[in-house]
Amino acid sequence: GAGVSQSPSNKVTEKGKDVELRCDPISGHTALYWYRQSLGQGLEFLIYFQGNSAPDKSGLPSDRFSAERTGGSVSTLTIQRTQQEDSAVYLCASSLAGTSGGGSQYFGPGTRLTVL
Amino acid sequence: RKEVEQDPGPFNVPEGATVAFNCTYSNSASQSFFWYRQDCRKEPKLLMSVYSSGNEDGRFTAQLNRASQYISLLIRDSKLSDSATYLCVVISGGYQKVTFGIGTKLQVIP
Repeated sequence: GAGVSQSPSNKVTEKGKDVELRCDPISGHTALYWYRQSLGQGLEFLIYFQGNSAPDKSGLPSDRFSAERTGGSVSTLTIQRTQQEDSAVYLCASSLAGTSGGGSQYFGPGTRLTVL
Repeated sequence: RKEVEQDPGPFNVPEGATVAFNCTYSNSASQSFFWYRQDCRKEPKLLMSVYSSGNEDGRFTAQLNRASQYISLLIRDSKLSDSATYLCVVISGGYQKVTFGIGTKLQVIP
């Protein structure tokens, strides 16, 4: 079946512009995660959606970052007034809910964001 | 102390060698544990779950030591294709908090 898809695959933007990144999770997966990974660094958790529950936003680095998940499926991560330090690969993952579902995540290919 | 700690490496090993990585975690209430593999410029992919009783998948063995709060990954008979970064993942907080380690880089040399 189809895996997690993300778009765009690459995004180059100018400092101060807003960007929107999209994630289509695997059908039936109720949990959705956003991470970012800077060059040579580990994964930094950003936000987590589980079903219709309020998202866990504890990882968002600033109020310039926000995310939505409409209809329990597609999610968009929005970064307003981008800064150069926002340059990174933004990864989305989805998983089934359940006792171990949180760990069995399936990742999309990521969006490589470059802020000039 | 970081919630999840890994030696970033790199570990350079010859083909056929056995290599082991550890990953320590700070939250004693952590519930489940996984190893992921990430190839260069690719997304992470689930390698295996980690159980207290230990589990094996071919050349790969994962173990959990709750008393000492670490998980391990053992790779036997290393192949060139095993070269990658190995990330440990710790789940806590009612399966809502997912923490990735920074990853351990493995380079298998011909």
